[in-house]
Amino acid sequence: GDSVTQMEGPVTLSEEAFLTINCTYTATGYPSLFWYVQYPGEGLQLLLKATKADDKGSNKGFEATYRKETTSFHLEKGSVQVSDSAVYFCALSDSGGGADGLTFGKGTHLIIQP
Amino acid sequence: EAGVAQSPRYKIIEKRQSVAFWCNPISGHATLYWYQQILGQGPKLLIQFQNNGVVDDSQLPKDRFSAERLKGVDSTLKIQPAKLEDSAVYLCASSPSGQGHQPQHFGDGTRLSIL
Repeated sequence: GDSVTQMEGPVTLSEEAFLTINCTYTATGYPSLFWYVQYPGEGLQLLLKATKADDKGSNKGFEATYRKETTSFHLEKGSVQVSDSAVYFCALSDSGGGADGLTFGKGTHLIIQP
Repeated sequence: EAGVAQSPRYKIIEKRQSVAFWCNPISGHATLYWYQQILGQGPKLLIQFQNNGVVDDSQLPKDRFSAERLKGVDSTLKIQPAKLEDSAVYLCASSPSGQGHQPQHFGDGTRLSIL
């Protein structure tokens, strides 16, 4: 079955540091890939997505590129802020047969220190 | 637009009791999902509806969990009887249609504690 593996946390960085959160996946079909974020006390919200190979999703300074050859979708940001502290989930949707429920990784807790 | 509404926000019950959660998706969204998120893990899909029909319930523990979406709008998820391992946050999500490239919109969830 489908699966998503992302780096374990917590990840602690200083403000303005460069961020990478690794995500790799296995899928039977040709999935769409997503990063969702959960800020403290809030619900899950979409951060960015990519639907085909070599697509780059971007939002709020975050970027991730759909790499089919390495089955990866790593999240990057050039300069993190304290407000980026949250839990980040990598997820895929493999819509074979109309069933497109998301398969999530375990989440990476990011802590940004001033 | 109004987001996905869930109630209650919190529920505490004893094991072997029953519990029900309610979800109202974003207006016009044909597809509705229920996920279970155990502490420290990512959400796991329990069931997907397209309008009032079930598309995927392969991960729903059918001996104790049931869900319905009778009029193709709001939905109810029930657990009967509850076990200790059912302690989790139950998330409802919706999307315009069951096409994998469309993002899902999540509610705030119901946090269930089993004593």
